[in-house]
This record gives sequence, C-alpha cells and structure tokens, in this order.
Amino acid sequence: GDSVTQMEGPVTLSEEAFLTINCTYTATGYPSLFWYVQYPGEGLQLLLKATKADDKGSNKGFEATYRKETTSFHLEKGSVQVSDSAVYFCALSGGNEKLTFGTGTRLTIIP
Amino acid sequence: DGGITQSPKYLFRKEGQNVTLSCEQNLNHDAMYWYRQDPGQGLRLIYYSQIVNDFQKGDIAEGYSVSREKKESFPLTVTSAQKNPTAFYLCASSTIVATEAFFGQGTRLTVV
Repeated sequence: GDSVTQMEGPVTLSEEAFLTINCTYTATGYPSLFWYVQYPGEGLQLLLKATKADDKGSNKGFEATYRKETTSFHLEKGSVQVSDSAVYFCALSGGNEKLTFGTGTRLTIIP
Repeated sequence: DGGITQSPKYLFRKEGQNVTLSCEQNLNHDAMYWYRQDPGQGLRLIYYSQIVNDFQKGDIAEGYSVSREKKESFPLTVTSAQKNPTAFYLCASSTIVATEAFFGQGTRLTVV
C-alpha cells in the first residue's frame, strides 16, 4: 500500500539557517504530494502541494519539488525563523481514496 | 468565515463510557475524515465519508463509530470498546476524496 517516510526528528536549528526535511514515498500510479504544518495544540494547515512530477510547490519561503525518479518531496527553506517552529507532515493522496501521512518532524528554531 | 469546527476542544471521559466528538464544516465539501494523532505516530485514519449516508472504515476503525446524516456534519463516537482512547482527534474535509484536506482545531480526549 501507499506509505510516506520522513526524516526523524526533532530537528533544532539556529535562526537564519538552511532547512531540509526529507520525505520519500511509495505509491502506485501518480500521487499528489503535500506538506502540512501543525502548530502546538492546533490542527494541520496545508503548507504547499504538488500534483505531478517536476512540479514545485512553494509558500511562505518553503519549497518542495516532486521528484518521481527518486520518489521524494523534500521540504526546504533558505532562512528559517523562530516562527517556523512547528511539526511538519509530508502526505500523499494516491489511488486508494485517502490521504497517507508521514510520522511528522518536529522543528525547533533557536534565536 | 468558512471552515471546520470541532467541539469540544478538551474532553474527559470515564472508562466504560461512550463519548461523541462533533465536527461541522461550512465549506460545502463532499468528503470528511476522522484521524487520530498519537505522539510519534503521525496521523492514522479512523473513518472517512465521501457522501451523505455513506462512510468507510479507515486503518483503525475498531472501537469507533460515525454517522453522516448531513453533508455538513460527521460526528465520531468513541465507544467503550476502544481500548486506548486517550489521543488527539482531528476532523478534516475536502472537495473530493483524497485531494488536499482542511483540518479542524482538534479535540483532545482523555480517559480518567
């Protein structure tokens, strides 16, 4: 079945550092890929998405490129801020009518 | 404002009791979902519904029940058969099944 594997956390970075959170997937066909963010005590918010190979999703300085050849959708940001501290989830929607999530990566940014 | 409303935010239940979590959306979405979140395990799908009066089991449906009598509402009942119900429960909706989902703020259930 479909699955998502993402980088184990927690990840701690200094402000203005470069961020990469790795995400790889297993799915049949051509899934859509998503990154969601969850702030403490809240639900998930869609951060960005890509629906086909080589698409780049971007939002709030975050980017991720849909790489079919490596089945990856790594999240990147050039300069993180304290306000980026949250839990990040990679997810996919395939042909089985449901969203499949990774286990989440907790990110902490230190001033 | 359009969105998804979950209530209550915090819920305490005694062992052996059933409890119902509310989820309402005014986004005119056809599909609705319930997820359970435990530390270090990501989100696990409990039930989902594509249309009124129809729903399907997800990966961890045992001990839970749902109904979909109205498009806007998808309540989740945690029954006494659920062995470890303490968790954070998230409701979501989307335009069609498995496209991007919009989430509520969650309900934290604690069994005391």
